[in-house]
Amino acid sequence: AQTVTQSQPEMSVQEAETVTLSCTYDTSESDYYLFWYKQPPSRQMILVIRQEAYKQQNATENRFSVNFQKAAKSFSLKISDSQLGDAAMYFCAYRSSGANSKLTFGKGITLSVRP
Amino acid sequence: DVKVTQSSRYLVKRTGEKVFLECVQDMDHENMFWYRQDPGLGLRLIYFSYDVKMKEKGDIPEGYSVSREKKERFSLILESASTNQTSMYLCASSVPTGGGFSNQPQHFGDGTRLSIL
Repeated sequence: AQTVTQSQPEMSVQEAETVTLSCTYDTSESDYYLFWYKQPPSRQMILVIRQEAYKQQNATENRFSVNFQKAAKSFSLKISDSQLGDAAMYFCAYRSSGANSKLTFGKGITLSVRP
Repeated sequence: DVKVTQSSRYLVKRTGEKVFLECVQDMDHENMFWYRQDPGLGLRLIYFSYDVKMKEKGDIPEGYSVSREKKERFSLILESASTNQTSMYLCASSVPTGGGFSNQPQHFGDGTRLSIL
């Protein structure tokens, strides 16, 4: 079974600075998909960014980018120019490529942003 | 935008009660999911459904059941609530995934904070 590990339960960043949230996963599959979700204090989980394992290029969405290292099974999220609204819980998730395969989530990391 | 609506934000019930948590989505998604979120444990899948009247057990189905009589509605049922079922419950929906759609995200509701006394 696949597992997703987020080893840091909490992180803090100064507003306008850059922070990296780490995620590792374990799988024997070669084709899969990785996601970062954000859960603000209002609690609705939203997608931040996604990465297809077959793509070598790291995904980028505005201030959010990933460092995907397939061989190392690592999928970190970098937030640049951190804003107060980035304060949230962030979850890393894995999905295999099979039909209707489920998402496997990490335990999450709480990010706080210092003004 | 996809809207996933959970019927209650906060719910307090008694041990032994039968509890219904309702979830409705407005995007005609085939797939629907129920998760439980606990501090330090992340999200754990309870049940999911990829079609009307279809259901599949997730990782922690014990003590729960589900119902999907209509495509847009997915209900989670606690047959006899116990204190260890006090938790945050999240509903989600998505298009069918697989093939070229495996990168499609799940869309979540606001969650129901359930307390069993």
